[in-house]
Amino acid sequence: GQNIDQPTEMTATEGAIVQINCTYQTSGFNGLFWYQQHAGEAPTFLSYNVLDGLEEKGRFSSFLSRSKGYSYLLLKELQMKDSASYLCAVRALYNAGNNRKLIWGLGTSLAVNP
Amino acid sequence: EAQVTQNPRYLITVTGKKLTVTCSQNMNHEYMSWYRQDPGLGLRQIYYSMNVEVTDKGDVPEGYKVSRKEKRNFPLILESPSPNQTSLYFCASSSSVLATEAFFGQGTRLTVV
Repeated sequence: GQNIDQPTEMTATEGAIVQINCTYQTSGFNGLFWYQQHAGEAPTFLSYNVLDGLEEKGRFSSFLSRSKGYSYLLLKELQMKDSASYLCAVRALYNAGNNRKLIWGLGTSLAVNP
Repeated sequence: EAQVTQNPRYLITVTGKKLTVTCSQNMNHEYMSWYRQDPGLGLRQIYYSMNVEVTDKGDVPEGYKVSRKEKRNFPLILESPSPNQTSLYFCASSSSVLATEAFFGQGTRLTVV
């Protein structure tokens, strides 16, 4: 089956660095996404990886290893406003045809403490 | 401003009373979808649309209908809502099913009593 795993909760300190891991088992991999979601609000796009390696975007970086079915989101210089849920999603084949869909992890709730 | 607009933001209704949640995007996107989000279950796709007049079921389509008569609009219809449809609903759009980014509406918190 198709599955995504990420830790349920994490805690970190303001100013620190935190790494949120995501492992996946899917068929027909076609990209991995990270979204940020504050409580009760809409998910907002953070990053997209389709090739192996690191994508850096300001304080946020995302890494992908397709052979290991593994990604991480790295948040540097943490701020209180980074307290949110971080959703990992993989685009993969979902039936015998050529159709693709997003498979979502349950999210990692990050609490940033002063 | 590029955006996906959902209405209403909050809705409390009674079992069996038909309702429609509207979704509109101003980015000329082809691909639109509806999700529901429940604690412990994450985001689950209800229906999606690849383009005008092309819609298909997602993972949890039972009890829902959609239509895509115009590119910008993708309403979600609950013909006879039940309490198990109480949830947070999101509409999302992207340029295509292979786009590198999707945009979400603000969400609709629906309570069915």
